Amino acid sequence: EAAVTQSPRNKVTVTGGNVTLSCRQTNSHNYMYWYRQDTGHGLRLIHYSYGAGNLQIGDVPDGYKATRTTQEDFFLLLELASPSQTSLYFCASSKTGGDTQYFGPGTRLLVL
Amino acid sequence: GQGVEQPDNLMSVEGTFARVNCTYSTSGFNGLSWYQQREGHAPVFLSYVVLDGLKDSGHFSTFLSRSNGYSYLLLTELQIKDSASYLCAVNSNYNVLYFGSGTKLTVEP
Repeated sequence: EAAVTQSPRNKVTVTGGNVTLSCRQTNSHNYMYWYRQDTGHGLRLIHYSYGAGNLQIGDVPDGYKATRTTQEDFFLLLELASPSQTSLYFCASSKTGGDTQYFGPGTRLLVL
Repeated sequence: GQGVEQPDNLMSVEGTFARVNCTYSTSGFNGLSWYQQREGHAPVFLSYVVLDGLKDSGHFSTFLSRSNGYSYLLLTELQIKDSASYLCAVNSNYNVLYFGSGTKLTVEP
């Protein structure tokens, strides 16, 4: 099974703070994804990438930037965090775009 | 738009069965996946269907009707540990999955 890791697992910041969430996958998957999950909304796609240097906009991109530095590493950046970005964030990867996605353990972010 | 709908909650009894429904309305269809998610944990892949009909995988079975935009996940011989949320996800354009909000299944003794 694919190995996807995320760090940190928990993060607390203040409004206006700068946060970077990290994701690494070690199975040479091409696609990587960032989701947020909130009660009543399910998983919502923020950004995704199909390779190093590539970035695609998802359904809820406002307030988020992302960067895919290598095939393994995908970062989510919140440059001016707001309380509305308090959520559970999941990273996922897949071999191809429509393939089964494998999820990381998640990062809980609290913005005060 | 891409719509994937699931009921919020479902209750059933240990030793019986539960059917988790999913309806979708998307601009294309290239397959449908089911995931299990326990509270506070990551979704875990269960099953993938792309052809109409029933796919029997033992404890979990999945049904698909593309003409009706409908799928269900059937869990048989329920155990308490099957209590979790079940997510339906549709692949409509080869690049992304569109997830439903999930159905929380509670299995009672």
